[in-house]
Amino acid sequence: AQSVTQLGSHVSVSEGALVLLRCNYSSSVPPYLFWYVQYPNQGLQLLLKYTTGATLVKGINGFEAEFKKSETSFHLTKPSAHMSDAAEYFCAVSDPFYTGGFKTIFGAGTRLFVKA
Amino acid sequence: DAGVTQSPTHLIKTRGQQVTLRCSPKSGHDTVSWYQQALGQGPQFIFQYYEEEERQRGNFPDRFSGHQFPNYSSELNVNALLLGDSALYLCASSLQGAKDGYTFGSGTRLTVV
Repeated sequence: AQSVTQLGSHVSVSEGALVLLRCNYSSSVPPYLFWYVQYPNQGLQLLLKYTTGATLVKGINGFEAEFKKSETSFHLTKPSAHMSDAAEYFCAVSDPFYTGGFKTIFGAGTRLFVKA
Repeated sequence: DAGVTQSPTHLIKTRGQQVTLRCSPKSGHDTVSWYQQALGQGPQFIFQYYEEEERQRGNFPDRFSGHQFPNYSSELNVNALLLGDSALYLCASSLQGAKDGYTFGSGTRLTVV
C-alpha cells in the first residue's frame, strides 16, 4: 500500500530564506509524485510533478523538487521565500501501474509561514 | 477555460439528513475523484469515477455514494449524516490516469449540526 509522510506539520522561514518541505513516500513500484499548494478556503493547486525522466523537476512560482529513489524522498524547495508563499503544502503519491484505476494519496500537509 | 466547478460552496445540514454535492470537471477531463478534507488534515480519498462507473473506493462507509453522468459531471451523496461528516469536500478531475495530476475545485464546506 502506498503512503506519504510529510515531516513537520509547520515550517516557518524568513522572507528571502530557503524553503525546504520534506516528503517521504512508500510504494512498491516507482510512483508518480506530486506537490500541491492550498490557500485558505480554496482547493488544491498542482505545483509540480514527477512521473519519469529527470529527477529534478521544476514547478510554478519558483518551486522545485528532487526525486531520490534511494531515499524514497521528494522534498520541495525554493531558494528564496516570498510572503505570498505562505500556504498549506501537500505531497502526494500515485501508483502508475494499478490497472484498476488511479488514485492519489495525500500527506497530512505542511503549513508554511513566512516572516517579514 | 473553466476549471472544476463545485456546488454549493457552503452547506449546513442536521444529523440524519442526506446531502448531494455536485461537480463539473475541467473541460476535456473524463475522470472525477472525490476527497474529504477535515480541518487541519490532508485530503482523504473517497472514490473515483470513470465512464460512469465507480472505479476505486477509499475507506468510507456505504453512506457515501456517487454518480457520474454522460457529460462527466458527478455527484457525491451522503446519507444519514453524522457530526463527523463535517468537512471540506473536494472534487478533482483528470484525464484517465493520474500522470498529469488533478485539477481541483474550490470545494463544498459541509457543516453537520
